[in-house]
Amino acid sequence: EIVLTQSPGTLSLSPGERVTLSCRASQRVSSDFLAWYQQKPGQAPRLLIYDVSSRATGIPDRFSGSGSGTDFTLTISRLEPEDFAVYYCQHYASTPYTFGQGTKLEIK
Amino acid sequence: QVRLVQSGAEVKKPGASVKVSCKASGYTFITSYMHWLRQAPGQGPEYMGMINPRDGSTTYAQEFQGRVTMTRDTSTSTAYLELSGLTSEDTAMYYCAKDPEYCDGGVCYMAYFDPWGQGTLVTVSS
Repeated sequence: EIVLTQSPGTLSLSPGERVTLSCRASQRVSSDFLAWYQQKPGQAPRLLIYDVSSRATGIPDRFSGSGSGTDFTLTISRLEPEDFAVYYCQHYASTPYTFGQGTKLEIK
Repeated sequence: QVRLVQSGAEVKKPGASVKVSCKASGYTFITSYMHWLRQAPGQGPEYMGMINPRDGSTTYAQEFQGRVTMTRDTSTSTAYLELSGLTSEDTAMYYCAKDPEYCDGGVCYMAYFDPWGQGTLVTVSS
């Protein structure tokens, strides 16, 4: 089983700042099968990024993904008020498909 | 647009079963796999399994083998999740989620999820 570890657990930032979230896999994620989701309180997760760096439909270009192998990042170039939420990475390279424990972005 | 609408919250006693529905609209139901996930309070999502709506074939995560059943009704574009032998550990929000891959036959899925249903809260309590 591929274990995904996200860091940090919580980040306190201000609107307008740039942020990079980390997702580290316990073994190589083949074929770049890694996705990122955003979840706001009381809502279902929303797909942001798939295949490491492809933005889902309707996702603003301030969101970008990168990485390969075991180390992946989600970058938000300039935080908007609506970006404060929990972010999860997920791999789909092999079963079981697993998620990280999440990084919470909170307003400073 | 694609929409997944799930059934309402459930409260069950330990040992009981629960059945959650997920009605799809905005696309041809049989052309995309449907996945089920759950999320316990304060935790990340957990993958439960998938169903191919075209032929009803299923793949379940090992953790749930033996007590999960996924079915579908193509006449109403609805997928179902049934979980038996409930314990307090099963208290969670349960989600259906569409696979993004277009499938016109055979095994074709990507196993990332877009979009998700709104969720169904299942509470197990004596």
